[in-house]
Amino acid sequence: DVKVTQSSRYLVKRTGEKVFLECVQDMDHENMFWYRQDPGLGLRLIYFSYDVKMKEKGDIPEGYSVSREKKERFSLILESASTNQTSMYLCASSLNREQFFGPGTRLTVL
Amino acid sequence: QKEVEQNSGPLSVPEGAIASLNCTYSDRVSQSFFWYRQYSGKSPELIMSIYSNGDKEDGRFTAQLNKASQYVSLLIRDSQPSDSATYLCAVKREQTGANNLFFGTGTRLTVIP
Repeated sequence: DVKVTQSSRYLVKRTGEKVFLECVQDMDHENMFWYRQDPGLGLRLIYFSYDVKMKEKGDIPEGYSVSREKKERFSLILESASTNQTSMYLCASSLNREQFFGPGTRLTVL
Repeated sequence: QKEVEQNSGPLSVPEGAIASLNCTYSDRVSQSFFWYRQYSGKSPELIMSIYSNGDKEDGRFTAQLNKASQYVSLLIRDSQPSDSATYLCAVKREQTGANNLFFGTGTRLTVIP
């Protein structure tokens, strides 16, 4: 079974803090994704990566950056957290066509 | 026009009935389609994928794809209270690599005991 893990289930940060969200997958998948999910807006793609050190912007990359130094790990960075980044953050990985999600991190920015 | 559209519901069905969930998509060249189930407070879980026109059955779930009409549906037979969740339809973005998906906003299903 595919296992995708995320570093925290719940996180509370203050405005202006730098925030790191970590995602690890154990199936040697090439592709990894970061989404945020908000009520009424659904899942929106922030960034994705199709190989180590490779990254591509998704639909809403503003205010975020990513890092992929190892194949199994994909990190999402909020350089200076703002209240409008309060959301559920979901990581996914994919080898072929199917994507598998981690448990999610609910981030609250005060 | 949104890339993937779903009726947000809520859709309520009695236990034992058939639940029918529908999804339309805008990109005619889409080739891969997925249904995810998401319980409240949890992450999406892949339950069905379909790539060819017609029906695909897996247990109580049947996915139906009609590329000419650009719709995909999910039927849940003998619905159980444990099926109460939000169901997300996803369509592969053929113009980009890395298996990117467009997601609908989901249909909330309630199965009434």
